[in-house]
Amino acid sequence: QSALTQPASVSGSPGQSITISCTGTSSDVGNYNFVSWYQQHPGKAPKLMIYEVNKRPSGISNRFSGSKSGDTASLTISGLQAEDDTDYYCCSYAGGRWVFGGGTKLTVL
Amino acid sequence: EVQVVESGGGLVQPGGSLRLSCAASGFSFNSYSMNWVRQAPGKGLEWISYMTSNSGRIWYADSVKDRFTISRDNAKSSLYLQMSSLRAEDTAMYYCARDKDYAFDVWGQGTMVTVSS
Repeated sequence: QSALTQPASVSGSPGQSITISCTGTSSDVGNYNFVSWYQQHPGKAPKLMIYEVNKRPSGISNRFSGSKSGDTASLTISGLQAEDDTDYYCCSYAGGRWVFGGGTKLTVL
Repeated sequence: EVQVVESGGGLVQPGGSLRLSCAASGFSFNSYSMNWVRQAPGKGLEWISYMTSNSGRIWYADSVKDRFTISRDNAKSSLYLQMSSLRAEDTAMYYCARDKDYAFDVWGQGTMVTVSS
């Protein structure tokens, strides 16, 4: 049960946009539109940012958006802010289980 | 306020057992599927178990299958995880998470489990 593949780190300057990729297989990302993204600050619980590939829960800024193409999902954060500097995880339903990515550390320069 | 609160973590010897609890409030617990997700120190997230609202469907990650048992008591708005044959690699923060459209929308603060002699 391999994890989804995310870049270990990405960075951007305030106001810029960044994209975090999440590559899976035809058994998970490629087969289901149940990709979600989580933000996790140090010592805190994860927070749902995107579900069903591109839907935002109530209260989540529209600076966060999601997409998917084939076996790869992406999270885009526009108008980077200092508080976006933290860890992000993708997750995909995979038929009777869920698989997470290894996580990406976003640094706002 | 919608929330879940985990408890029951602690230090346990390899081969030992532990039962985690998750108390839900602020929502109709008996209408939601629930999950357990864990995170080893300094590592990423790992889904480990799922249970539907009526306990009719249960799934486990291969890493915990046959060692962990998920259960729930809808009358008490509580979710449980019975862990046995614990190993050092089970050391992690354990989170209870509500299911929403195959995502995890409500998380607790977690309860830490340390497996060590």
